Amino acid sequence: QVQLQESGPGLVEPSQTLSLTCTVSGDSISSGGYYWSWIRQHPGKGLEWIGYIYYSGSTYYNPSLKSRFTISVDTSQNQFSLKLSSVTAADTAIYYCARTGSVPDYWGQGTLVTVSS
Amino acid sequence: QSALTQPRSVSGSPGQSVTISCTGTSSDVGGYNYVSWYQQHPGKAPKLMIYDVSKRPSGVPDRFSGSRSGNTASLTISGLQAVDEADYYCCSYAGSSSDYTSLYVFGSGTKVTVL
Repeated sequence: QVQLQESGPGLVEPSQTLSLTCTVSGDSISSGGYYWSWIRQHPGKGLEWIGYIYYSGSTYYNPSLKSRFTISVDTSQNQFSLKLSSVTAADTAIYYCARTGSVPDYWGQGTLVTVSS
Repeated sequence: QSALTQPRSVSGSPGQSVTISCTGTSSDVGGYNYVSWYQQHPGKAPKLMIYDVSKRPSGVPDRFSGSRSGNTASLTISGLQAVDEADYYCCSYAGSSSDYTSLYVFGSGTKVTVL
């Protein structure tokens, strides 16, 4: 059974960098069969695809979110990560990681990140 | 980029059928066979219910079905049950033909209420 688990701080101060990690079990990122996505959901709102990474390190980001996001992969740990720089209150959201074939299929439980001083 | 358009809410009595629409464009819903539907209960992560327009993952009841006509995809829940009360989101692959296009776009979400 494929499982994904997000981890990282639940509270980040404005202007700082948010860092999250997704640990994958039940599948190997380096197998190359899937992409690995980050998706967020603002409180009480809909879903927004942030971007994804392939095991090779190739990435694709949602252009509408500009360039504050960075996704990286560590195949030795079977993990991939998200960094978001210069956070503001507008970045307060639940952040999900998801395995992505033709569409996102398996999702992590999500982690709430609050941006506040 | 605009989200795909879904009705804000739909409702039905137990045993009835409800259909949720998801309207996009020829650049997303109508252009690729990669439309998916997710069920989200409060405080939970989205769960894949339909992928590639009409395919059901293992374990998803056959009460759930997906279809598409032109630029509009639909999710039908037959034999509505209390456990089906949740938010439902559609999602479509949108390609990379434009520097301004997200690869995946989601619908605005529909709350299904079981009366």
